[in-house]
Amino acid sequence: DGGITQSPKYLFRKEGQNVTLSCEQNLNHDAMYWYRQDPGQGLRLIYYSQIVNDFQKGDIAEGYSVSREKKESFPLTVTSAQKNPTAFYLCASSIGGTLQETQYFGPGTRLLVL
Amino acid sequence: AQKVTQAQTEISVVEKEDVTLDCVYETRDTTYYLFWYKQPPSGELVFLIRRNSFDEQNEISGRYSWNFQKSTSSFNFTITASQVVDSAVYFCALSEASQAAAGNKLTFGGGTRVLVKP
Repeated sequence: DGGITQSPKYLFRKEGQNVTLSCEQNLNHDAMYWYRQDPGQGLRLIYYSQIVNDFQKGDIAEGYSVSREKKESFPLTVTSAQKNPTAFYLCASSIGGTLQETQYFGPGTRLLVL
Repeated sequence: AQKVTQAQTEISVVEKEDVTLDCVYETRDTTYYLFWYKQPPSGELVFLIRRNSFDEQNEISGRYSWNFQKSTSSFNFTITASQVVDSAVYFCALSEASQAAAGNKLTFGGGTRVLVKP
């Protein structure tokens, strides 16, 4: 089955700790995205990548970092600089990142701060 | 101002009732796309429909229907004869041509929670 997988489902972070959220897709999509969802709100774009070894900041990139070494993988690191990391994180992908394309989403990772 | 506004935060209906979700958007682009996604309690966003700015034809798919009106910048979604499984949060989203340099990001509304009671 083709799709997007995210792990872990739940992640706990201690103060001052960096944590990495995994996102893998086997859809052969070039574009991948990370969104953050806060309770009762819509999604906001953190980072996106339209091709391997290239990525761009979204609207709320501060305190986050990403890498895109493989087409299938787009991990997100929540750094200690992100002061309010508790949220639901969703990864998405689309064929090429163009205007008309549908973005397909993974199941999400819920990050909680201890 | 919000680019995508979903004024209804929560709607509660009894099974078999119809429910209409409102979405009002704001853009200066002439070329744009509108989307509806469903987020069940599991959390994953499920794609429902995509509509481009040049196609105002309304669409029906099973119990779902969409009403796109450029004159009022609205893209409303109706569930006919609702079922308990329709309980979820529904998001309207906008993709604008002017955002091509920003990866054609989706701008989401705040979502409408639909609760269908048996």
